[in-house]
Amino acid sequence: DAKTTQPPSMDCAEGRAANLPCNHSTISGNEYVYWYRQIHSQGPQYIIHGLKNNETNEMASLIITEDRKSSTLILPHATLRDTAVYYCIVRVLNFGNEKLTFGTGTRLTIIP
Amino acid sequence: GAGVSQSPSNKVTEKGKDVELRCDPISGHTALYWYRQSLGQGLEFLIYFQGNSAPDKSGLPSDRFSAERTGGSVSTLTIQRTQQEDSAVYLCASSLSSGMNTEAFFGQGTRLTVV
Repeated sequence: DAKTTQPPSMDCAEGRAANLPCNHSTISGNEYVYWYRQIHSQGPQYIIHGLKNNETNEMASLIITEDRKSSTLILPHATLRDTAVYYCIVRVLNFGNEKLTFGTGTRLTIIP
Repeated sequence: GAGVSQSPSNKVTEKGKDVELRCDPISGHTALYWYRQSLGQGLEFLIYFQGNSAPDKSGLPSDRFSAERTGGSVSTLTIQRTQQEDSAVYLCASSLSSGMNTEAFFGQGTRLTVV
């Protein structure tokens, strides 16, 4: 799986949009971009994933650049409960090889 | 509930003892993963099951670690002769293994403390 680079930490004001960047310059054509988050003392929680088109669900939006070398996770109206470590992961979805490789993530702190 | 269930939630053991950690995946999920997370660190992959077989055991840190899965459901991670560096939160996850759009659901973990 390709490596990802994320800033170690970010702050965002409550109610504002949180934009979390991720670089994956070595991503290959069949690798998906996945985002998970881990709130303190809990297991990681799936947020969203995409291949090349932008994606949106009830939690967040995922913007993937045209060259697919970077992406941004957007939490449109951040709340205090969004304080967590956010992990950007790229992986190939091959049957029998579905390991998720977590990096160090971005620690997002929502400021009241 | 219908989520991934792990037991025990907390385990304190003496150095040198063996421990067994249990994971009940979501019903119907054929893929199961074990990770561990040391204090303040990221998630370290241990082993992955597809059904009852383990195509990827690359993350097991030593031969003291083993895991099995029976009936394509429950999995047990066993650590023999525990050491203090084994102290960590052990996380289990499961997913449908369709090869497309598979998201992994994690349990709350077992916090293992070796004293």
